[in-house]
Amino acid sequence: DAKTTQPPSMDCAEGRAANLPCNHSTISGNEYVYWYRQIHSQGPQYIIHGLKNNETNEMASLIITEDRKSSTLILPHATLRDTAVYYCIVRVVSSSNTGKLIFGQGTTLQVKP
Amino acid sequence: KAGVTQTPRYLIKTRGQQVTLSCSPISGHRSVSWYQQTPGQGLQFLFEYFSETQRNKGNFPGRFSGRQFSNSRSEMNVSTLELGDSALYLCASSFQGDNEQFFGPGTRLTVL
Repeated sequence: DAKTTQPPSMDCAEGRAANLPCNHSTISGNEYVYWYRQIHSQGPQYIIHGLKNNETNEMASLIITEDRKSSTLILPHATLRDTAVYYCIVRVVSSSNTGKLIFGQGTTLQVKP
Repeated sequence: KAGVTQTPRYLIKTRGQQVTLSCSPISGHRSVSWYQQTPGQGLQFLFEYFSETQRNKGNFPGRFSGRQFSNSRSEMNVSTLELGDSALYLCASSFQGDNEQFFGPGTRLTVL
């Protein structure tokens, strides 16, 4: 079972920041937080991942709380093309789960003009 | 560089038949994972192959199997198809199975 809780849906105005929350209160010390998104009828796309420090790349920023029990994915200037299902995944990379992602239900983000 | 490719993109089969799906990973990637996506169950992990060996397996019946070739290309096979096998089958490749996985566009299988 997925170890994360996400709101089922969110709306965001085009050009504004989209802040997608994720709760992972049972996260272990060696588990990373990953974010993927799936645009309709396409395969999921990797966005970002982190352990405990905040991370930023060209797509998004990942803010992880100090106790690591929750995180927020930030899309700084959402566009219509960011409309997708966003998945928050926690996983430890070990020999027993290589290549394995456990997806929850995700958050459907609707970016509106 | 070229992305992950999957063939065929669409497939229609009838109950009882078998099907083989193909996945070509990104050049240099040695890990290929397979997932099934249905409206009811969402995205579920099937199995992962690395260097021609199945390294991890999800909770699916033995009718679902796969293999990987020396060039890292992978196939998955579903035998004795059931209506519930209708789904989008996705494969993902990565260098070693850790961190970032790159997904293909999927194969849409319909079982009639």
